[in-house]
Amino acid sequence: QQQVKQSPQSLIVQKGGIPIINCAYENTAFDYFPWYQQFPGKGPALLIAIRPDVSEKKEGRFTISFNKSAKQFSLHIMDSQPGDSATYFCAANKGSGSRLTFGEGTQLTVNP
Amino acid sequence: EAQVTQNPRYLITVTGKKLTVTCSQNMNHEYMSWYRQDPGLGLRQIYYSMNVEVTDKGDVPEGYKVSRKEKRNFPLILESPSPNQTSLYFCASSLLQGIHEQYFGPGTRLTVT
Repeated sequence: QQQVKQSPQSLIVQKGGIPIINCAYENTAFDYFPWYQQFPGKGPALLIAIRPDVSEKKEGRFTISFNKSAKQFSLHIMDSQPGDSATYFCAANKGSGSRLTFGEGTQLTVNP
Repeated sequence: EAQVTQNPRYLITVTGKKLTVTCSQNMNHEYMSWYRQDPGLGLRQIYYSMNVEVTDKGDVPEGYKVSRKEKRNFPLILESPSPNQTSLYFCASSLLQGIHEQYFGPGTRLTVT
């Protein structure tokens, strides 16, 4: 049973475009929502994370939008670059002491 | 340099031949975990450990064993590998379980024929 559903599975955009990756969760007890970025041949690395007390968080060109009532959150990449081409995983957990549940992953390609 | 190391990076083996994938971290982290990554399924947790001598099953533990005798090491053991265990494996560590950033190793690509 997948507790965090991620879409799309793959995404291709042109340089400068704004790719959007969406995640939906079922467990209303989740209160920590990180995104991990994985380059080919590397392990995932934390990109940005949000708690449900805010609706949006920005770090550079990366923004998380959070909709608590819809149980959805999304990653937006502004002015995307070829160097952003990677696999992105959303995740969720219930805070301290609980395990992280990952989404299925989105393979993003940004064409020059 | 703070890091998680895994060995080997690549491994091809045959069904039933016991193998061990090592994992080591140098950040004095309490929490360590093993994941497998398969296309379309994301990262699924196999086993985790909250401290020395404390391990527990994740979402897909069947066919795997782990041990945590030292804080820095968390080996993954496949006693009788099968082809459905062909996957990309990642070890990760974090300060504690929960909201703390997880640091991942570089991955081990395992093929079981």
